[in-house]
Amino acid sequence: GNSVTQMEGPVTLSEEAFLTINCTYTATGYPSLFWYVQYPGEGLQLLLKATKADDKGSNKGFEATYRKETTSFHLEKGSVQVSDSAVYFCALTPQGGKLIFGQGTELSVKP
Amino acid sequence: EAGVTQFPSHSVIEKGQTVTLRCDPISGHDNLYWYRRVMGKEIKFLLHFVKESKQDESGMPNNRFLAERTGGTYSTLKVQPAELEDSGVYFCASSGRQGSHTEAFFGQGTRLTVV
Repeated sequence: GNSVTQMEGPVTLSEEAFLTINCTYTATGYPSLFWYVQYPGEGLQLLLKATKADDKGSNKGFEATYRKETTSFHLEKGSVQVSDSAVYFCALTPQGGKLIFGQGTELSVKP
Repeated sequence: EAGVTQFPSHSVIEKGQTVTLRCDPISGHDNLYWYRRVMGKEIKFLLHFVKESKQDESGMPNNRFLAERTGGTYSTLKVQPAELEDSGVYFCASSGRQGSHTEAFFGQGTRLTVV
């Protein structure tokens, strides 16, 4: 079946630190991969996506590369800010169907 | 343009009571989805409406949950009777393209606590 596993949180970093949130997946076929973010008091927002192997999604300084050989889609940012504090969800959709999410990783960035 | 709006933002009820969650999608969006995140775990799909019809309700956990979308506008999700394991955050999303979960806009969620 299809599933997503992401690293457990909470993750606490100092401002300007490097961020990696690991995400691996199990899927049949060739899914599309996504990172969603939920800032405090707000709804889920699509952060970035990649639709095929070796694609790199990027937005707001965040990046993730679709690695089919390792079935991974790790989220990275070179220098985090306090405003990046949020819960991050990795997700996939098999051929455009319903979204399958990971359990979420809470990120807290301290000044 | 208003986004997806959910009411209430928080609800605390006792086990055995009934709760109704409401979702107002973005105006003109035919597709409406319900998801939920239980106890800090993964967000799981519940169901998908296209206008007033249930396109996919494979994620509904049991018959204590009833979703409606009369007139194809706003939707309600009723839990009756509520159980402790129903606690979590219920998200609604809407999109303007057929079956496009991934282009959906999400609401802020309703946090339900059953005590």
